[in-house]
Amino acid sequence: EVKLVQSGAEVKKPGESLKISCEASGYTFASYWIAWVRQMPGKGLEWMGIIYPGDSDARYSPSFRGQVTISTDKSISTAYLQWSSLKASDTAMYYCARRDPRSNGLDVWGPGTTVTVS
Amino acid sequence: DIQMTQSPSSLSASVGDRVSITCRASQYISTYLNWYQHKPGRAPKLLVFAASSLQTGVPSRFSGSGSGTDFTLTISALQAEDFATYYCQQSYSNFPTFGGGTKVEIK
Repeated sequence: EVKLVQSGAEVKKPGESLKISCEASGYTFASYWIAWVRQMPGKGLEWMGIIYPGDSDARYSPSFRGQVTISTDKSISTAYLQWSSLKASDTAMYYCARRDPRSNGLDVWGPGTTVTVS
Repeated sequence: DIQMTQSPSSLSASVGDRVSITCRASQYISTYLNWYQHKPGRAPKLLVFAASSLQTGVPSRFSGSGSGTDFTLTISALQAEDFATYYCQQSYSNFPTFGGGTKVEIK
């Protein structure tokens, strides 16, 4: 079964750093782009960026460039989203999702990680 | 950025109703348009890709149409499990973007 498992909920203070994870299983991790999507409380979905684990090519949406870092560790089939200095406005649900090259859609999603900054 | 505008932002409908949601792109995106269903407390689910292709396992009451800048998601006969928020997403540009969402509620 193809699956993405995300790390658990986080409660942090403004200014703290954070790295959340997304572990893939059931497919060749290196061969599929992994995207990160934000949903702020009561709001819609926002595309943050995407990374190709095969060569760590990461691309960020303009709104998120410089605000977060996306990375992967192929040896453990895991993608990461990290912040160096959290703000209250980073409070949100964060989803990772696999992009299917056939459809260009996000066909497998993780359950989400809730990040609360307060 | 390519802006994606969905309408309506919410609608009320009854089980069995035919429902249509529209999505307009701020520039030409060919058929690089996906639709997702999102229920509270769950991960979003891909319904339609490439504007009109149904993802495997998605019921045939869902259909997508359109090309260029104007797209539509139609649910032919709404079922109880279809009450959710629906998002369009363009995958034409290097910076994919989502529409604002359409919440489908029970009348």
